[in-house]
Amino acid sequence: DVKVTQSSRYLVKRTGEKVFLECVQDMDHENMFWYRQDPGLGLRLIYFSYDVKMKEKGDIPEGYSVSREKKERFSLILESASTNQTSMYLCASSLQGSYEKLFFGSGTQLSVL
Amino acid sequence: KQEVTQIPAALSVPEGENLVLNCSFTDSAIYNLQWFRQDPGKGLTSLLLIQSSQREQTSGRLNASLDKSSGRSTLYIAASQPGDSATYLCAVDSGNTPLVFGKGTRLSVIA
Repeated sequence: DVKVTQSSRYLVKRTGEKVFLECVQDMDHENMFWYRQDPGLGLRLIYFSYDVKMKEKGDIPEGYSVSREKKERFSLILESASTNQTSMYLCASSLQGSYEKLFFGSGTQLSVL
Repeated sequence: KQEVTQIPAALSVPEGENLVLNCSFTDSAIYNLQWFRQDPGKGLTSLLLIQSSQREQTSGRLNASLDKSSGRSTLYIAASQPGDSATYLCAVDSGNTPLVFGKGTRLSVIA
């Protein structure tokens, strides 16, 4: 079974802190994604990557950056956390190709105080 | 730009009932459509993937259909059970961008 592991299930940080959210997949997937999910707004794409060292902005990249130094790991960085970044963060991965399923991690509930 | 809509936002049914969840999309030029399930506070689990050339896919009590020309997909759940209670999301792959998700339908199956 594909496993997408997010390093923290719950995280509490203070405003202004630099926050790292880690995601690791074990199935040699080329594609990796970071979403945030908020009530009433649904899933929104923050950043994605189709290969190592590669990154693309999604719909809401402001205030975030990403790092993909190794194929299996995709990190989301909140440069200076703000209260409006309190959210559920979901990582996902897939193989390249038009008929490949998307696999999600369990999510990280981040609270910024 | 592709837009995906799921109506209703919430649905409550008695146990044992057959039900249909709806998904519509604005651009019919798609590669595939996926249905996901999400339990509260958890990640999403892919249930079914329908390729653009297919009309339907089945897995157990779940059957997903796709009508590209009308921009619609349905997820049929037979003989619903309380364990089916979750949020169901559909997502469309248009080939040149990441999946576009609907906001989901929150299903409650009452025992």
